[in-house]
Amino acid sequence: KAGVTQTPRYLIKTRGQQVTLSCSPISGHRSVSWYQQTPGQGLQFLFEYFSETQRNKGNFPGRFSGRQFSNSRSEMNVSTLELGDSALYLCASREGTSGGNEQFFGPGTRLTVL
Amino acid sequence: KNEVEQSPQNLTAQEGEFITINCSYSVGISALHWLQQHPGGGIVSLFMLSSGKKKHGRLIATINIQEKHSSLHITASHPRDSAVYICAVYSGGGADGLTFGKGTHLIIQP
Repeated sequence: KAGVTQTPRYLIKTRGQQVTLSCSPISGHRSVSWYQQTPGQGLQFLFEYFSETQRNKGNFPGRFSGRQFSNSRSEMNVSTLELGDSALYLCASREGTSGGNEQFFGPGTRLTVL
Repeated sequence: KNEVEQSPQNLTAQEGEFITINCSYSVGISALHWLQQHPGGGIVSLFMLSSGKKKHGRLIATINIQEKHSSLHITASHPRDSAVYICAVYSGGGADGLTFGKGTHLIIQP
């Protein structure tokens, strides 16, 4: 099976712009989670989608949003970019949403905001 | 909210040494992940466990649910084991996202 894929891998934007990142899960996985990694805060949970519904959301402002399509592919959007949004954004997929479902990570999208 | 603490933060060892990385968490969990991250960012899941012990090659992970503690051991360490090792836990029956430790930066010198 192909792994989790993310596009684009690298992105440079300027403050005030918006950005959309894409994640394709492993075939058969219906859950997609998004995480932000920064040197200062480490890895933090953004949100999880399952069957096109947001299941849970981390402590991030409303500028961070996401959606999931019927084929389980997911996108996250960040509007009005700030310098502090520069980070590695990782998505992970799993079959379901119980604690027994292992997560598999994509390679990440490295976003730089200038 | 679950607090996840890892120790040590940094570890430098010689090739062949036995390595132990520790993880403690504050609230009961449904499962715990050990993750490996190499420079460049990609994260690989090494283990997911909710009880007992798992072994894969030279890697061993243990968890003590009563003590809220897990350890990752690397036997016969090798320079290619150099990476950041991250402990992450599922709380709330797994419906919440993962909560991560800050990671252990491991360097194995030849």
